[in-house]
Amino acid sequence: SQQGEEDPQALSIQEGENATMNCSYKTSINNLQWYRQNSGRGLVHLILIRSNEREKHSGRLRVTLDTSKKSSSLLITASRAADTASYFCATDRGSTLGRLYFGRGTQLTVWP
Amino acid sequence: EAQVTQNPRYLITVTGKKLTVTCSQNMNHEYMSWYRQDPGLGLRQIYYSMNVEVTDKGDVPEGYKVSRKEKRNFPLILESPSPNQTSLYFCASRGQGRGEAFFGQGTRLTVV
Repeated sequence: SQQGEEDPQALSIQEGENATMNCSYKTSINNLQWYRQNSGRGLVHLILIRSNEREKHSGRLRVTLDTSKKSSSLLITASRAADTASYFCATDRGSTLGRLYFGRGTQLTVWP
Repeated sequence: EAQVTQNPRYLITVTGKKLTVTCSQNMNHEYMSWYRQDPGLGLRQIYYSMNVEVTDKGDVPEGYKVSRKEKRNFPLILESPSPNQTSLYFCASRGQGRGEAFFGQGTRLTVV
């Protein structure tokens, strides 16, 4: 079963703008992760936030986690055309060792 | 370099002809898994393995088999492929520390 649901399904912005993607999930988690996928390629890990953390930064990425609302957001600041990709959230429920549950992804297009 | 290697990258086969997609990781990870990715459906887990000789079904296991005889390898076997197994397949591995997952480059399978 898929745990996370990303919103929106697709996002189209201009270079320089900020992109915000959201992820909602249904059960308690150990951590939540965001991945990026360039067209047809393997997923690449971006950032991990643990259940006891509320915000995390990595370069132009900012992730927030609200466990009371069971939601997370990924903010990419000052977007570039090279950020064009699909972005997935994945949750580690903590119950099944090692298993990650992925959402359906947000397709981000950044226009030059 | 830490990596997950899948082979082949592309495969066209005929209905009913048994095939194996190989997956190997060099990070001594305990946890390995197979996903299929179809448009609009995100990543769906087929099978996963928590360690050598320990495997379990994911969300869409029908028509697939796996084995984990060695820690580094986790092949996906399609005994009698059908056209509805045409998809993009990914292998992933993850260590015990509940950190990030590492993905292979993907195998695009077409069954005619």
